[in-house]
Amino acid sequence: QVQLQESGPGLVKPSETLSLTCTVSGDSVSSGNYYWSWIRQPPGKGLEWIGYIQNSGSTNCNPSLKSRVTFSADTSKNQFSLKLSSVTAADTAVYYCARDNGYRLGYFDFWGQGTLVTVSS
Amino acid sequence: DIQMTQSPSTLSASVGDRVTITCRASQSISSWLAWYQQKPGKAPKLLIYKASSLEGGVPSRFSGSGSGTEFTLTISSLQPDDFATYYCQQYNSYRTFGQGTKVEIK
Repeated sequence: QVQLQESGPGLVKPSETLSLTCTVSGDSVSSGNYYWSWIRQPPGKGLEWIGYIQNSGSTNCNPSLKSRVTFSADTSKNQFSLKLSSVTAADTAVYYCARDNGYRLGYFDFWGQGTLVTVSS
Repeated sequence: DIQMTQSPSTLSASVGDRVTITCRASQSISSWLAWYQQKPGKAPKLLIYKASSLEGGVPSRFSGSGSGTEFTLTISSLQPDDFATYYCQQYNSYRTFGQGTKVEIK
């Protein structure tokens, strides 16, 4: 069974960089079969796709966030990570990592439990 | 960008009811659409992919249909466990979610 677990600070100051890591078990982030995505959900609101990283290191992201987002992966730890710079209160959300089925199959079949990140001074 | 619009935003129904949720795309997405169920405090759960393919382990009372720009999720006989929020998601270009439909107890 594939499992994903988000980790990182729950509180980030405005203008700073949000950093989260997703640890995967039951699959490999270096596998060519899947992409590895980040999705967020502001409190009481809907879901927003942030972007993904592929095993090749290629990335793709929501155009609305492109200037602030960086993705990376550590295959030795079977982890992938998100950095979101210059955060504001609007970035307060539950952040999920998820397995993305990839090209022409871009749905999410396994999700982490989510981690709440609050942007506040 | 492809916009996804769900209707209704909220739906009140009773156990045993047949429930239909609609999702419209701002441009054609072929059949590249998924449906999710989300309960409070939990991650979304995949129900349907490629518009009408049922994810393994999902009860057969859930079904999806449509192609192009209009899609539906149908629950044939609503069960107590089905009261939740449902999201559609397109994956024709990037990934975009609908705003959600909350199914509540009537």
